[in-house]
Amino acid sequence: GAVVSQHPSRVICKSGTSVKIECRSLDFQATTMFWYRQFPKQSLMLMATSNEGSKATYEQGVEKDKFLINHASLTLSTLTVTSAHPEDSSFYICSASDGQSNTEAFFGQGTRLTVV
Amino acid sequence: AQTVTQSQPEMSVQEAETVTLSCTYDTSESDYYLFWYKQPPSRQMILVIRQEAYKQQNATENRFSVNFQKAAKSFSLKISDSQLGDAAMYFCAYRSAASGYALNFGKGTSLLVTP
Repeated sequence: GAVVSQHPSRVICKSGTSVKIECRSLDFQATTMFWYRQFPKQSLMLMATSNEGSKATYEQGVEKDKFLINHASLTLSTLTVTSAHPEDSSFYICSASDGQSNTEAFFGQGTRLTVV
Repeated sequence: AQTVTQSQPEMSVQEAETVTLSCTYDTSESDYYLFWYKQPPSRQMILVIRQEAYKQQNATENRFSVNFQKAAKSFSLKISDSQLGDAAMYFCAYRSAASGYALNFGKGTSLLVTP
């Protein structure tokens, strides 16, 4: 399958600071990228969908000013958690799709964010 | 909105035996895709098997097979000859054009494999 690289795998930051998570598709053009959040022992919850060159679409209840998503190229999407608080601590996972309805989306390795 | 329900929070199976994980979903669409993903302790999402709704034939991938009942909106996963490496969280997921092809996951089933 295709390769999606997510970086960093783990990050610890102080409350009030911002942290950026990168999601790269290494061997295909990702027209659409999805960002999910997973709390311990829970399922993956969709945060937002981003299409290359356009603004992300956020799910209800997700603060777009807090979780900034940029998808400026066909191989890179970034999620920036701004003014992080301890309750933002979670596992964040991206997945990328080439936009074809009949192909699967490929997942990054995930990022464990801890806000102290 | 589509909902995916996994009614078994935990399941246990003995090595070499067979186990079935349940999944039901609710949708008004006719064209969609269903998936089973495995999430081991590393938390990397691994695709186990997929099923297109328009296909009547149940998908199989080696020891993994599904029982897709479209009218009943049921999509169970059968793991045959269970191995210790099968131990993980298993998520059932739904995807369609209406959701922008984002995956909608069930709550997951934790599978324990005992020697």
